[in-house]
Amino acid sequence: GEDVEQSLFLSVREGDSSVINCTYTDSSSTYLYWYKQEPGAGLQLLTYIFSNMDMKQDQRLTVLLNKKDKHLSLRIADTQTGDSAIYFCAESTGGSYIPTFGRGTSLIVHP
Amino acid sequence: ETGVTQTPRHLVMGMTNKKSLKCEQHLGHNAMYWYKQSAKKPLELMFVYNFKEQTENNSVPSRFSPECPNSSHLFLHLHTLQPEDSALYLCASSQDLAGGQGELFFGEGSRLTVL
Repeated sequence: GEDVEQSLFLSVREGDSSVINCTYTDSSSTYLYWYKQEPGAGLQLLTYIFSNMDMKQDQRLTVLLNKKDKHLSLRIADTQTGDSAIYFCAESTGGSYIPTFGRGTSLIVHP
Repeated sequence: ETGVTQTPRHLVMGMTNKKSLKCEQHLGHNAMYWYKQSAKKPLELMFVYNFKEQTENNSVPSRFSPECPNSSHLFLHLHTLQPEDSALYLCASSQDLAGGQGELFFGEGSRLTVL
């Protein structure tokens, strides 16, 4: 299987919360990331979490990490149409810190 | 200009053509990367350069040839490509390969279509 797995699509209504899930295989992952790719653009780091943390909150974003299950999630509160994008989960291990990415989850926000 | 700039943004080429993709970063970073983005596939690391030295070649076919003349510029030379090579090619840079949280800064990509 793939090193980083995430579902391809998520559709939510504007104002609702979005939860994007990701699983990874490397138990020695040091950093876990969420990158956002808007249409016609490259990826941009949204947030990251160090592996010794369980949760990180940044305004409307909440990242949850379950190391035991190797599960990472990104919750976006009060989702807006401007949040429509592809969200990539990625992980890196100590040493080179080169991230390994998933396929990306396309978040579609409808009125 | 700021950030990471890629040219051309769009490229259409035949299987017998030779073309090049260019990437330039204005961030003072030491590491540069080529990634391939295909629909419904994980973002695929192709090459990594650190201080102009290639540190990763992720089993990429020889029809893709990278060149890194200095820490600010990265090229991807293309020749005798196949239709399945059609994809978005993303360049990225980072401060270096070790330490920190390893944030990558991406360009907008070069959309390649091979006929």
